[in-house]
Amino acid sequence: AQSVTQLGSHVSVSEGALVLLRCNYSSSVPPYLFWYVQYPNQGLQLLLKYTSAATLVKGINGFEAEFKKSETSFHLTKPSAHMSDAAEYFCAVRLIQGAQKLVFGQGTRLTINP
Amino acid sequence: DTGVSQNPRHKITKRGQNVTFRCDPISEHNRLYWYRQTLGQGPEFLTYFQNEAQLEKSRLLSDRFSAERPKGSFSTLEIQRTEQGDSAMYLCASSSRQGAYGYTFGSGTRLTVV
Repeated sequence: AQSVTQLGSHVSVSEGALVLLRCNYSSSVPPYLFWYVQYPNQGLQLLLKYTSAATLVKGINGFEAEFKKSETSFHLTKPSAHMSDAAEYFCAVRLIQGAQKLVFGQGTRLTINP
Repeated sequence: DTGVSQNPRHKITKRGQNVTFRCDPISEHNRLYWYRQTLGQGPEFLTYFQNEAQLEKSRLLSDRFSAERPKGSFSTLEIQRTEQGDSAMYLCASSSRQGAYGYTFGSGTRLTVV
């Protein structure tokens, strides 16, 4: 079954520091992978997606993620954290069969220290 | 295109009452998904429509829950005889072309059962 695991339920970085949020997936076929961000009491906003094209994917707000098949990973990075990046981040995999629904990880809460 | 719209944003109801939520997807999207998100967790799939047909339901969707999408446009999610455990954020998402361009989420309806 396809699934994702997000390592670290809470990550804290200083403003201006590198942001690294980890996501590993499980899939027997090439997956579609997504990162979403959620601000308090809001819905989910798409940051970026991997759909079997370029392995380095650039998204909004300066975020990017690299698909590494050998490591079954899709980690999210940003070179320099901003206070406005504080939010909950979710990695998701799209199921290939049936409804092709998204299956989400548990989420990582990112805190930015001034 | 104003995105995915969900109403109401917040709903407080007494245990045992019925509630209904509405989702208006992006007009050209033929796929519509309902998810439930509890505090500190990732969204969990509830049900999926392709046009007006409900093609998949999660085991999370007890017989107190029913969803419709008449004419393949907006969708409603009804919860009968609400229980405190139903308190959650209910998210709607829509997509086209098998999600190749991502899944667009609404802002959600937060349900509190007292």
